[in-house]
Amino acid sequence: EPEVTQTPSHQVTQMGQEVILRCVPISNHLYFYWYRQILGQKVEFLVSFYNNEISEKSEIFDDQFSVERPDGSNFTLKIRSTKLEDSAMYFCASSEVTSSTDTQYFGPGTRLTVL
Amino acid sequence: RKEVEQDPGPFNVPEGATVAFNCTYSNSASQSFFWYRQDCRKEPKLLMSVYSSGNEDGRFTAQLNRASQYISLLIRDSKLSDSATYLCVVTLNSGYSTLTFGKGTMLLVSP
Repeated sequence: EPEVTQTPSHQVTQMGQEVILRCVPISNHLYFYWYRQILGQKVEFLVSFYNNEISEKSEIFDDQFSVERPDGSNFTLKIRSTKLEDSAMYFCASSEVTSSTDTQYFGPGTRLTVL
Repeated sequence: RKEVEQDPGPFNVPEGATVAFNCTYSNSASQSFFWYRQDCRKEPKLLMSVYSSGNEDGRFTAQLNRASQYISLLIRDSKLSDSATYLCVVTLNSGYSTLTFGKGTMLLVSP
């Protein structure tokens, strides 16, 4: 069964450093998403991406964040200057189409720890 | 006001029990509704969609009451493997299916 993959599984970084989280969505999917989950909190939407541009972003997704699809398979989330409060689990998701009933498939996540 | 509210639990039940979870959502324009399951430190996985007419998938039954903005999930004959956090999820009335999650209800099924 096709699945979304994410690397690395765990990233430890120093405050102020840049990190890039990588995702490989399911191959025939067209819509991509990043969500995050701070430990003990709910899953929160960050950004959606379609046709090489951001479709929607939340207020969490400020200028420190950017997304990119550098090639035909990868989808990345960059945090330019990490803060302690960026420590969270980051989930990538993809869907075949975007309708309110389409299923989003989640990757296993990258645990980001900012020291 | 929280967009999606759930009782955090935990719900501790013995194997074979029936357990029900509830969820309320604040935005009356919400379009679609789901229950996801999340195991500890894992990704959310879709359990089932929720339709106004109610729907059943094996031991799981979901109900939606749009007038009350209320969603429920019933699990019959609980198994040990049902132990997880159950996330109530809605999509708002926008052009994109951004998922809005509740914080989840933890279920612990014991032998």
